Amino acid sequence: AQTVTQSQPEMSVQEAETVTLSCTYDTSESDYYLFWYKQPPSRQMILVIRQEAYKQQNATENRFSVNFQKAAKSFSLKISDSQLGDAAMYFCAYRIGLYSGGGADGLTFGKGTHLIIQP
Amino acid sequence: KAGVTQTPRYLIKTRGQQVTLSCSPISGHRSVSWYQQTPGQGLQFLFEYFSETQRNKGNFPGRFSGRQFSNSRSEMNVSTLELGDSALYLCASRLYRSPGMETQYFGPGTRLLVL
Repeated sequence: AQTVTQSQPEMSVQEAETVTLSCTYDTSESDYYLFWYKQPPSRQMILVIRQEAYKQQNATENRFSVNFQKAAKSFSLKISDSQLGDAAMYFCAYRIGLYSGGGADGLTFGKGTHLIIQP
Repeated sequence: KAGVTQTPRYLIKTRGQQVTLSCSPISGHRSVSWYQQTPGQGLQFLFEYFSETQRNKGNFPGRFSGRQFSNSRSEMNVSTLELGDSALYLCASRLYRSPGMETQYFGPGTRLLVL
């Protein structure tokens, strides 16, 4: 079974600084997707960024970027120029791809990292 | 385009009762998944529906069931409620089963409290 590990239960960063949240996963599949979701106090899960395993180029979305190391099974999220609105729980998630026999499998989530932004 | 909607947002039930939660996906999305979020177990996959058929199910007892209607709206039912069923239930939708269309978009959740 696939597992996702987030080793940092909580991280704190000063506003405008850069922070990196770590995520490792375990899978024997070659086709899969990785995601970072943000869950603010409202509990609404918001997609931050996604990465297809077959793409070598790291995904970026404005201030958010990932460092995808496929061989190491690592998928870290970098948040640049941190803002107060970035404060939330961040979840790393994995999903098996269609070409690996998936398609109807749910997301496997890590336990989350609570990100605190210090003003 | 409206996002995923879930009703009700909050619910209080007592042990032994049953409950039905509803989810309306983003317009055009044909797949709906359900997740349970608790402080102890985190986020866990319950099941996914596509074209009115359950395509996959997580490791939950048979008390947890669901269905999907022809308009892609989905309901989740929990029978014989237990205290441990208290959780945030999240619904997520995505376009359809196809490579590149794997991104799920979540609703605001239904918070269930079992007394």
